[in-house]
Formats: sequence, structure tokens, C-alpha cells
Amino acid sequence: GESVGLHLPTLSVQEGDNSIINCAYSNSASDYFIWYKQESGKGPQFIIDIRSNMDKRQGQRVTVLLNKTVKHLSLQIAATQPGDSAVYFCAENPPPGNTGKLIFGQGTTLQVKP
Amino acid sequence: ETGVTQTPRHLVMGMTNKKSLKCEQHLGHNAMYWYKQSAKKPLELMFVYNFKEQTENNSVPSRFSPECPNSSHLFLHLHTLQPEDSALYLCASSQSPGDQPQHFGDGTRLSIL
Repeated sequence: GESVGLHLPTLSVQEGDNSIINCAYSNSASDYFIWYKQESGKGPQFIIDIRSNMDKRQGQRVTVLLNKTVKHLSLQIAATQPGDSAVYFCAENPPPGNTGKLIFGQGTTLQVKP
Repeated sequence: ETGVTQTPRHLVMGMTNKKSLKCEQHLGHNAMYWYKQSAKKPLELMFVYNFKEQTENNSVPSRFSPECPNSSHLFLHLHTLQPEDSALYLCASSQSPGDQPQHFGDGTRLSIL
């Protein structure tokens, strides 16, 4: 299942399918981007990050893609599992970059159907 | 276990009460943060502390008063809150403000009556 458009509040996918969650960021000078997963009743949990000098970074079953031309970030989850059901947030670190300020997106709820 | 512990997990208080939220991190980090997470809104950074010194205040009303006695503990003192202050309050830490990622606790769910 793929999302269409820059941001969908909810994405529903079948177990085993690949998921793509999209995010638009605001500051073209941001040099660091991060994805968090938040399960119900818990705080955000770090998934993967990427710096602006890279276009792609892979982790275990997850890939982050960065398109600086259109200020777009995406998170790809391979072989989505029920445990992946959560709200996913992207965040950018705008300049000057050393203040700890993260600007978060609205979040996308991923629902995995068995 | 995230290494960042927040207490209490839930808090209900009246608008005239005074209460405090507590955060403790066991990660050896020097920077700590308070965030507010309201329904249907992105996480909002409230305060940043580095080595016990406040380095960022994101235009937070004075009815929220943070305290950082040491780099492992962070408090948020609350007084005369408004109903719109009902939210999930999240604490996070990182090695320094310039270091990522930030590690979050599970939050305190605050309800203002």
C-alpha cells in the first residue's frame, strides 16, 4: 500500500505489504530529519534518521528517502507486520541545528490489517 | 524501558491546583526537553535544558514553570492551568542539544477540569 499526496492522516495496509508514509518539511536549510513511531499509550520511539547530505538510508525493514528538491521525506516499511501499527511522525531540525529544536509533522496513523 | 521515566502517568487537576510533573533519565545525557502533545496537533517543543541551564523557551505561558536541578532530572511545575492545557506532556533527553536522536519517555496524560 502506498500513500498518495504529501500527507495522509491514516494509511491502511494489508499485513505483508510494503508501506510508504510521506512527509513534507518546511525549511530548505534543515540538515537533519528523523522518523519516530508512537504506539498507543507510549512515547515516540526513534526509528531512523538521515542527514541532508544523503538521499537514502536503510535500516532493518525500514528505508528513509529524502528529496531536497521538493522538500519531501518518506518512510518505507517492508513486509508490514501488525506490530507496525502506530502513529508515525517525521521531524526536521532547522538551523542553526544545535538548539535541540525539532519541528514535527502531523503524524500518519498506520493500520495493518491481518 | 526507554531510559526516560515520567511520573505520574496520569494526572487530573482543577484549574486552581498546583502540581508537578517529573522526568528522570538514566542515559547519561546532558540535554532534557519538555514537549506538549495535543490531540490532532504536532508535538510542540516547550523547553530545552542543557547542563541544568534553560536554553530554549518556546513562548510557553508562565503557568508552566520548568526546573532542572541536575542533568538527570527535569520537572514541570503547573499552576492555574486552563482546560486547553489538557494534553500529553512528554519529556525527552539527548547527549546535548545538538545531538540526535532525542529519547522520549511515555508521557504524563494531564486533564484539567
